[in-house]
Amino acid sequence: EVQLVESGGGLVQPGGSLRLSCVASGFSLSSYWMSWVRQAPGKGLEWVASIRQDGSVTHYVDSVKGRITVARDNAKNSVFLLMSSLRAEDTAMYYCARLFSGVTIFDSWGQGTLVTVSS
Amino acid sequence: DIQLTQSPSFLSASVGDRVTITCRASQGISNFLAWYQQKPGKAPKLLIYSASTLQSGVPSRFSGSGSETEFFLTISSLQPEDFATYYCQQRSSYPITFGQGTRLEMK
Repeated sequence: EVQLVESGGGLVQPGGSLRLSCVASGFSLSSYWMSWVRQAPGKGLEWVASIRQDGSVTHYVDSVKGRITVARDNAKNSVFLLMSSLRAEDTAMYYCARLFSGVTIFDSWGQGTLVTVSS
Repeated sequence: DIQLTQSPSFLSASVGDRVTITCRASQGISNFLAWYQQKPGKAPKLLIYSASTLQSGVPSRFSGSGSETEFFLTISSLQPEDFATYYCQQRSSYPITFGQGTRLEMK
């Protein structure tokens, strides 16, 4: 069974940093693109970042470029979201998601980890 | 960026009803569209991809159609477990974008 388990969320002050982790099981992580998608409280879904199987290619939504980095460690079955210079508008549930067969469609999702940026 | 606009944003219906949700793209995206269902407190679930292909395990009462700029998600006979929020998503080009969502509630 495919499982994605996120961790690392919490309360952080504006301007602070946070590292989110996603541990994958039930499939070979090294065979899939992976992504992070976020959802602000009571709002819709927003794609944040994607990373290729070997980590050599990444894509980001404009609003996070220069502040957020997606990374992976296939040997540890893990994907990461390194977040810095956090703003109130980054407050959201962050989901780790697998991309379906190399196509930019999210076929498996974790349960999410909540990031709250507030003083 | 490609904008996706869903209509309606809110829909009230009864068990057994046939409902259709529309997703309009700001430019042509071929059939590069997916639909997701999200229930409160849960992660989204993939229902349909490539505009009309049903994801494995999804009931056949769900169907998708459309191409280029206009897409439809139809539920042929609503079941109690179908009351949720539905999102469309385009994969034609980065940034990947979602529609604003359609909340389907029981009448």
